[in-house]
Amino acid sequence: GAVVSQHPSWVICKSGTSVKIECRSLDFQATTMFWYRQFPKQSLMLMATSNEGSKATYEQGVEKDKFLINHASLTLSTLTVTSAHPEDSSFYICSARDRRHADEQYFGPGTRLTVT
Amino acid sequence: RKEVEQDPGPFNVPEGATVAFNCTYSNSASQSFFWYRQDCRKEPKLLMSVYSSGNEDGRFTAQLNRASQYISLLIRDSKLSDSATYLCVVNSKGSYIPTFGRGTSLIVHP
Repeated sequence: GAVVSQHPSWVICKSGTSVKIECRSLDFQATTMFWYRQFPKQSLMLMATSNEGSKATYEQGVEKDKFLINHASLTLSTLTVTSAHPEDSSFYICSARDRRHADEQYFGPGTRLTVT
Repeated sequence: RKEVEQDPGPFNVPEGATVAFNCTYSNSASQSFFWYRQDCRKEPKLLMSVYSSGNEDGRFTAQLNRASQYISLLIRDSKLSDSATYLCVVNSKGSYIPTFGRGTSLIVHP
């Protein structure tokens, strides 16, 4: 299957700082990438849909000014958590749709964010 | 009613058992269906797509019942390594945003 990478895999930061997470499709082009958040023992929650070359579409309740998404190329999307707070601590996972197989999405390994 | 519903379980089964999960969906326009597996503290991994004609991959069989709007996953000869959460994913026609079920937890014990 297709490969999606995420960087960093884990990060610890102080409250008030910003953290950038990268999501890359390594062997395919992804016009659409998704960003999810998952709290312990809870299901995946879609945060936003990122389309290459256009603005991201955010789900209800997700602050677009706090979670900045940029999808500048067909292989890279970034999520920046601005002014992070302890309640932002979570597991952030991206996924990418493979243009060759439009309905299949492949997940990155996730980024575990801890805000102290 | 939630768009995609799964019994959260956990399903506790002994090694070698056969276990089946169902996932119901509410949108009759749903077009494509998948089962993903998620291990604790890991990302979901695509297990198999679910086709109208059914899909079998080794010990795993997936079926689609459009009339009753559900998909199923059957695991035969369960292994300890099958312990995970199994997520049902549904895409609707014209929408590329997938809808996830909450997942079904499977625990296979010796």
